[in-house]
Amino acid sequence: GQSLEQPSEVTAVEGAIVQINCTYQTSGFYGLSWYQQHDGGAPTFLSYNALDGLEETGRFSSFLSRSDSYGYLLLQELQMKDSASYFCAVKANQAGTALIFGKGTTLSVSS
Amino acid sequence: SAVISQKPSRDICQRGTSLTIQCQVDSQVTMMFWYRQQPGQSLTLIATANQGSEATYESGFVIDKFPISRPNLTFSTLTVSNMSPEDSSIYLCSGGTGDSYEQYFGPGTRLTVT
Repeated sequence: GQSLEQPSEVTAVEGAIVQINCTYQTSGFYGLSWYQQHDGGAPTFLSYNALDGLEETGRFSSFLSRSDSYGYLLLQELQMKDSASYFCAVKANQAGTALIFGKGTTLSVSS
Repeated sequence: SAVISQKPSRDICQRGTSLTIQCQVDSQVTMMFWYRQQPGQSLTLIATANQGSEATYESGFVIDKFPISRPNLTFSTLTVSNMSPEDSSIYLCSGGTGDSYEQYFGPGTRLTVT
């Protein structure tokens, strides 16, 4: 089967740093993406890793270790507006097919 | 990037009826997908909408229940047929280009079946 595991909930305070981990077991692997979804909103793309290492985009960074089937999303200088659900997603086929999503991590940022 | 619109945004339907959801993309995308999401849950892929041909369905989803059309590169419809309360969910359309690791999602259609 195909599975992606991530924590169900994470809490933090404004200004802090939080890391959301994702481990995956899929039949194929062509990259790990991260999406943010606010309550009642559409998922929006945050970042993508196809190769090992760290990708940085402003306050958000994403890391991938293919040998460990593991990645994480790092959110720095947390703001209240970062309270949302975060999904990791694997591109399991090369031919442009859809993504397999994890169950999502709900991040709550308090003041 | 692409902007995706869906309609209706929400609907309440009687069991046994059908609802067609429309998805419009503002620019051409190679791939279009339909997902289902229970509130607070993950996204489950229903099917890949193929232009001018039959959609590709994931395990557990069948064409008779979820017929899909994609007459051109920017438009697709999903019909939820013979609805039951178990079909109550949020239905999301998405589009992507190239490698499709980056997908753009519509705002979703919140369906309640009574």
